[in-house]
Amino acid sequence: AQSVTQLGSHVSVSEGALVLLRCNYSSSVPPYLFWYVQYPNQGLQLLLKYTSAATLVKGINGFEAEFKKSETSFHLTKPSAHMSDAAEYFCAVTINTGTASKLTFGTGTRLQVTL
Amino acid sequence: ETGVTQSPTHLIKTRGQQVTLRCSSQSGHNTVSWYQQALGQGPQFIFQYYREEENGRGNFPPRFSGLQFPNYSSELNVNALELDDSALYLCASSSTSGVFETQYFGPGTRLLVL
Repeated sequence: AQSVTQLGSHVSVSEGALVLLRCNYSSSVPPYLFWYVQYPNQGLQLLLKYTSAATLVKGINGFEAEFKKSETSFHLTKPSAHMSDAAEYFCAVTINTGTASKLTFGTGTRLQVTL
Repeated sequence: ETGVTQSPTHLIKTRGQQVTLRCSSQSGHNTVSWYQQALGQGPQFIFQYYREEENGRGNFPPRFSGLQFPNYSSELNVNALELDDSALYLCASSSTSGVFETQYFGPGTRLLVL
C-alpha cells in the first residue's frame, strides 16, 4: 500500500524566507504525487501535481516541488514566503490501480509566516 | 464554472442517529470522492462514485454508504453515528476516475456527534 510521511507538523518561517515542506512517499509502483493547501474553514486546493512528465513541477502561488525517486521525496518549496501562505499543507499520493483514484494523504504541515 | 458545493456546512447529531450529507460536483465532472478529515489529521478516503456506481472504497464500515445521481451530484449517508464520526467530511469531484485527474474539493461539512 502507498503512504506519505510529512516531516514536521509545524513549520515557522519569516516573511521573505525560503519555505521548505518535506514529504516522503512509499509506493511499490510508480506514484503520482500531489500537494494541496487548506486555509482555515475551507476545503483543499491543489497546488501542484506530479504525473511523471517532469521531475520539477511548478504550481500556483510560486510553489514548486521536485520528485526525487532515489530519495523517495517530493518536497514543496517557495523561494520567498508571504503572509498569505500561512495555511495547512498536505502531501498526497495515488497509484494506478485501474479503479478508483484514491488519494492517500499525509498528516499535514501547518505553515506559520511571521513578520 | 461552478465549483464543488456541499451542504450543510455544519451539523450536530447525537450518537445512534443517521445523517445525510450532500455534494454537487463541478460542472462536467462525473466522478465524486468522499473523504473524512478528523481534527488534526489528513483526509481519509471513504469511497468514490463514477457514473453512479461505487468503484472504490476505503477502510470504512458498511454504515457509511453513498449514492450518485444522474446529474452526478452525490450523497454520503452514515447510520448509527458514533462519537468518532465527528469530523470534516470533504467531497471532491473530477472529470473522470483516472489517476491523473485532479480532484477538486468542496468546503466540507463539519459534523459533530454528541
